[in-house]
Amino acid sequence: DAGVTQTPRHEVAEKGQTIILKCEPVSGHNDLFWYRQTKIQGLELLSYFRSKSLMEDGGAFKDRFKAEMLNSSFSTLKIQPTEPKDSAVYLCASTGDKYEQYFGPGTRLTVL
Amino acid sequence: QQQVRQSPQSLTVWEGETAILNCSYENSAFDYFPWYQQFPGEGPALLISILSVSNKKEDGRFTIFFNKREKKLSLHIADSQPGDSATYFCAASAGGNNRIFFGDGTQLVVKP
Repeated sequence: DAGVTQTPRHEVAEKGQTIILKCEPVSGHNDLFWYRQTKIQGLELLSYFRSKSLMEDGGAFKDRFKAEMLNSSFSTLKIQPTEPKDSAVYLCASTGDKYEQYFGPGTRLTVL
Repeated sequence: QQQVRQSPQSLTVWEGETAILNCSYENSAFDYFPWYQQFPGEGPALLISILSVSNKKEDGRFTIFFNKREKKLSLHIADSQPGDSATYFCAASAGGNNRIFFGDGTQLVVKP
């Protein structure tokens, strides 16, 4: 089985741009998570979907961050408009029946 | 409020030594504690996990010691190898929920 796929692996954006990050979870997994990872803040939860329903979104990220599950095998994270402080690694993870979260390799976003 | 705390933030040991990574938590409802290992440029991956009904879990050179009364656990890496150099995240979840709370991580360096 393929693992979690994330594209692009690297993204450079100008301040104020809209960017869309993509994630394909492990086939058959029902839960999908988006995280932001920085050295200072560590792993921060952005969104949590269960069977395509939004279960939780990180309160601090609501205004410019929007995650969607377009179908059970594809999710996007839109950041609009981007700010330099959004520079981070964005991780997507999925979970099946047994708690283990499978992470993708992440997208490294740099906002100039 | 940080639900899972880790210490130290960084740790350096010599090859062959035992590395000890510490973790504590606040929520008494947590009953599942996974440790994730992350190498640079990759997403975290599950290394070993323990349920709160156990006080010890071994997997090769990796051992989790768990103290429910004190809400503390530790990851022991015996005979540390340079290839173990990575960031280790302690995490916790409750009641079969796939929502996992991560600590800030311990960066381990094993010197040859």
